[in-house]
Amino acid sequence: AQSVSQHNHHVILSEAASLELGCNYSYGGTVNLFWYVQYPGQHLQLLLKYFSGDPLVKGIKGFEAEFIKSKFSFNLRKPSVQWSDTAEYFCAVNASGGFKTIFGAGTRLFVKA
Amino acid sequence: GAGVSQSPSNKVTEKGKDVELRCDPISGHTALYWYRQRLGQGLEFLIYFQGNSAPDKSGLPSDRFSAERTGESVSTLTIQRTQQEDSAVYLCASSIQDSNQPQHFGDGTRLSIL
Repeated sequence: AQSVSQHNHHVILSEAASLELGCNYSYGGTVNLFWYVQYPGQHLQLLLKYFSGDPLVKGIKGFEAEFIKSKFSFNLRKPSVQWSDTAEYFCAVNASGGFKTIFGAGTRLFVKA
Repeated sequence: GAGVSQSPSNKVTEKGKDVELRCDPISGHTALYWYRQRLGQGLEFLIYFQGNSAPDKSGLPSDRFSAERTGESVSTLTIQRTQQEDSAVYLCASSIQDSNQPQHFGDGTRLSIL
C-alpha cells in the first residue's frame, strides 16, 4: 500500500532562514507527487506538483521541490522564508493514472518575524 | 464563487445520530474526493468518485460510512450511528479528469460528536 512520511511535524524558523521539509513515499510504480499548503484560516491549496519531466519543480511563492526517484523522496525547499510562509504543509502521492491520493501527516511551519 | 462548497460548515450532534455532509464540486470536475482530518493529524483518504466509474471506497473506515454522487455533481457523505471517534473535519476536493491534476479543496465540515 502507498504511504507518505513527513519527517518533521513542527518546524520553527526565523525570517530569511532556508527551509527544507522532508517527504518520502512508498510505492513501486510511477507516481504523481504534490505539495499542498494550508495557511491559517484558509483551505488547502496546491503549492507545486511533479508528474514527469524535470525532477526539479518550481511552485508558487518561491518554493521548489526535487523528486529523487532512487530515494523515493520529494523534499520541499525555499531558500529564504518569510513570516507569511507560516502554514501547514502536506506532501501527497498518487499512482500515475490512479486517483486515490495518500497524504502525509503534515508539517506545521512557524516563521518568526 | 467557483470553488468547492461544503455544507454544513459545522455540525454538532449526539452520539448515535446519523449525519449527512454535502459537497458541491467545481463545475466540470469529474473527480471528487472525501477525506477525514482528525485533530492534529493529516488527511485520511475515504473515497473518490471519477466520472461514471465505480467509486473507490477502500478508505471508508466502517460500514457506518457511505457516500453517493449523482453524475458529476453533488456528493453526500453519510455517517450512521455516529460515535465520538468520528469527530473530525471532513474535507471534500474535486479535480479534472487526470490524476496528475491538483485537487481543489473546500473549507470542510467540522463534525463534533457529543
